[in-house]
Amino acid sequence: AQKITQTQPGMFVQEKEAVTLDCTYDTSDQSYGLFWYKQPSSGEMIFLIYQGSYDEQNATEGRYSLNFQKARKSANLVISASQLGDSAMYFCAMREITNSGYALNFGKGTSLLVTP
Amino acid sequence: GAGVSQTPSNKVTEKGKYVELRCDPISGHTALYWYRQSLGQGPEFLIYFQGTGAADDSGLPNDRFFAVRPEGSVSTLKIQRTERGDSAVYLCASSPAVSGANVLTFGAGSRLTVL
Repeated sequence: AQKITQTQPGMFVQEKEAVTLDCTYDTSDQSYGLFWYKQPSSGEMIFLIYQGSYDEQNATEGRYSLNFQKARKSANLVISASQLGDSAMYFCAMREITNSGYALNFGKGTSLLVTP
Repeated sequence: GAGVSQTPSNKVTEKGKYVELRCDPISGHTALYWYRQSLGQGPEFLIYFQGTGAADDSGLPNDRFFAVRPEGSVSTLKIQRTERGDSAVYLCASSPAVSGANVLTFGAGSRLTVL
């Protein structure tokens, strides 16, 4: 069963505007972590932001913030003041702490295009 | 090293051949992960190591796939009797330890093309 759902295959945003990339997840664990990664056309996966399930505050990292709504099981990424260099694939991922493996399960991604 | 290094960056092989993909993690990182990413998809978990042992190999698709990490550092992903469906980018990642907040640092990947 798909544990991470990213419903937006592609998004457009104008430079300097904010954009929200959606992510919902499915878990029965109480303890888990949520991650966002960026993958530009070069192919490298770049870590952006992390949110723990027990964190009360929404995570922020520079222009990135994570809108964490635990009851809705959503962890949307907000990019403020978009830049042309933000054009890339964005992946949401979850680690379930109590499950074996500690591996990240990734969604299918959202392609973001920032236009001038 | 400074980052996760993967070799080769590109590998073209014929159906039925054997291939090895190498991953050199960040020095001191005890956890190492292999993922496979097909075109237009997110990374798909294959296997992870804690030290020398495979702690979870539940993502390996079949017994043609095998991975080792004999000294707890470099890892090799081995694919026997390659099939066209094995064509993908194989990503390796490492992290300092296994815990909830530990961030995986990825290599640039090895692109495998099976003709």
